[in-house]
Amino acid sequence: DSGVTQTPKHLITATGQRVTLRCSPRSGDLSVYWYQQSLDQGLQFLIQYYNGEERAKGNILERFSAQQFPDLHSELNLSSLELGDSALYFCASSVPSKDADTEAFFGQGTRLTVV
Amino acid sequence: GQNIDQPTEMTATEGAIVQINCTYQTSGFNGLFWYQQHAGEAPTFLSYNVLDGLEEKGRFSSFLSRSKGYSYLLLKELQMKDSASYLCAVEGGATNKLIFGTGTLLAVQP
Repeated sequence: DSGVTQTPKHLITATGQRVTLRCSPRSGDLSVYWYQQSLDQGLQFLIQYYNGEERAKGNILERFSAQQFPDLHSELNLSSLELGDSALYFCASSVPSKDADTEAFFGQGTRLTVV
Repeated sequence: GQNIDQPTEMTATEGAIVQINCTYQTSGFNGLFWYQQHAGEAPTFLSYNVLDGLEEKGRFSSFLSRSKGYSYLLLKELQMKDSASYLCAVEGGATNKLIFGTGTLLAVQP
């Protein structure tokens, strides 16, 4: 158990709908990352938050948005869903530092299926 | 920009040694990670390199050359359970953004 919790584990929804994915980071971790992994694809970096503020953005679509709340949990909102949005969405958390072994810990992911 | 390259697939034999290479070009470099990911599961941390040289952890070792933008993961005494994707990731820039390569799918055969 990495200590990072993602809910829900599975989500099936129709095209055009909107969903919210939730992530609770490890206790004490200030940084939260969101990644998308489509079938047989690598982890695509979407966005990073640090202590409630957006820190870095990757290839995140305008239909997608995220936020990190004062209690450090984060939500990823996906709207106007398309079939191509079907993927595993991973959240990871870390304590950003230049010291060794400050790796990112991943949640088990949310499998989103758009039908 | 960010560019991280790994071979797409590799095959090796149980008990053998395999080396998975990673080359990177990133804006800023704070460290390089290797993760293991079994299909449908979360990536799990294997190793971290911030200085040049070899880091050894049991059957797994990771090497880094910052001047060459190059790393490799060395897996010894391969076991069937080592069949997985191996992801190279670079942490870079002031934001410590963590960018992953597309991963190398390793198949270990009897």
